[in-house]
Amino acid sequence: QVQLQQSGAELVRPGTSVKISCKASGYAFTNYWLGWVKQRPGHGLEWIGDIYPGSGNTYYNEKFKGKATLTADKSSSTAYMQLSSLTSEDSAVYFCAMTTATYYFDYWGQGTTLTVSS
Amino acid sequence: ENVLTQSPAIMSASLGEKVTMSCRASSSVNYMYWYQQKSDASPKLWIYYTSNLAPGVPARFSGSGSGNSYSLTISSMEGEDAATYYCQQFTSSPLTFGAGTKLELK
Repeated sequence: QVQLQQSGAELVRPGTSVKISCKASGYAFTNYWLGWVKQRPGHGLEWIGDIYPGSGNTYYNEKFKGKATLTADKSSSTAYMQLSSLTSEDSAVYFCAMTTATYYFDYWGQGTTLTVSS
Repeated sequence: ENVLTQSPAIMSASLGEKVTMSCRASSSVNYMYWYQQKSDASPKLWIYYTSNLAPGVPARFSGSGSGNSYSLTISSMEGEDAATYYCQQFTSSPLTFGAGTKLELK
């Protein structure tokens, strides 16, 4: 069965960067787009971008260009999202999610809580 | 960007009651997708391509709509249906979600 296992909660200082991981199993990692979604209380769900692990092609929400960088390691079936120049506005739960059909997310990771605080 | 407006924001229903929630898009979309999210859990795909139930979704759920207006209906409310439901579109980039409808058991 499809599983997306995300890395654990992070507490980081403002101005630094963080890299969150999403290890995929149960499907052909290189053949499907994998996306990232941000969730903050009162702000709903926001799509950050997608990556196609087979080619490394990425597709970003303009809002997150310069903030998020998506990469994927085919050898370990793991996707990564690096967030830079962190502020309190980046404190949120971040989900990775896989799509079999481009337009929606079939499977979701358990979420990674990021807290940005000094 | 295509803004999705969900209504109501919060609603409550009794067991057995029919429930309908709405999602309106600022620009017409080809399809609407819906997710169910319970507290401290990840969203789950619930309805895809407007009216198709995701695997495991009870038949009491249905989705409909076209253009700018879509809805999710529960024919008979059950306790396990209490959750927040989000609509989502990707007819145009960026992919956007509605703010959610929180459904509570009365």
